[in-house]
Amino acid sequence: AQKITQTQPGMFVQEKEAVTLDCTYDTSDPSYGLFWYKQPSSGEMIFLIYQGSYDQQNATEGRYSLNFQKARKSANLVISASQLGDSAMYFCAMREGPPGTYKYIFGTGTRLKVLA
Amino acid sequence: GAVVSQHPSWVICKSGTSVKIECRSLDFQATTMFWYRQFPKQSLMLMATSNEGSKATYEQGVEKDKFLINHASLTLSTLTVTSAHPEDSSFYICSVTSTDTQYFGPGTRLTVL
Repeated sequence: AQKITQTQPGMFVQEKEAVTLDCTYDTSDPSYGLFWYKQPSSGEMIFLIYQGSYDQQNATEGRYSLNFQKARKSANLVISASQLGDSAMYFCAMREGPPGTYKYIFGTGTRLKVLA
Repeated sequence: GAVVSQHPSWVICKSGTSVKIECRSLDFQATTMFWYRQFPKQSLMLMATSNEGSKATYEQGVEKDKFLINHASLTLSTLTVTSAHPEDSSFYICSVTSTDTQYFGPGTRLTVL
């Protein structure tokens, strides 16, 4: 069974608009972490935002916010005021396991294209 | 965040040769580093966890004799693809963890002819 599910293989958004990239996860660990990474065509993985399972508030980092709904096991990424440079692959990832034995699991990714 | 470098950024080799990829943590002492492989248009797949001073932990299905990992210091881990074949052509990425976050190197694109 997929532990991280990204159901949108591709998304389009108009420049300056907001866009939500979906991510659902599956774990039985009480403590876990959720991440979003951006991968431009150069291939490097750029860390965007992190949400801990015990964090009460949704994480925000500049134009990025994470809509964390624990009961639904979803961790959607919201990008506000999209820019052309936001066009890239976006991966949702989950860290599970106790400290020292962390494992990171990645979703299949969503390719975002920002239109001028 | 942690700064991670990889060398080389790309390599082309003949089938049957061995290729070594270096991963360096430039500003952080990493007792653990991770090695991933990414095929075109696919997600990252964890290959192994590299532990400083001890043997690496390989994921199921990854041949430890083919993908040799050495983590000799707190800032350097190496991945050697032995007797490379065209099916080993892929994008190899390493990462380090700092507090709650995982930081990635820029990746190495391996092409085996």
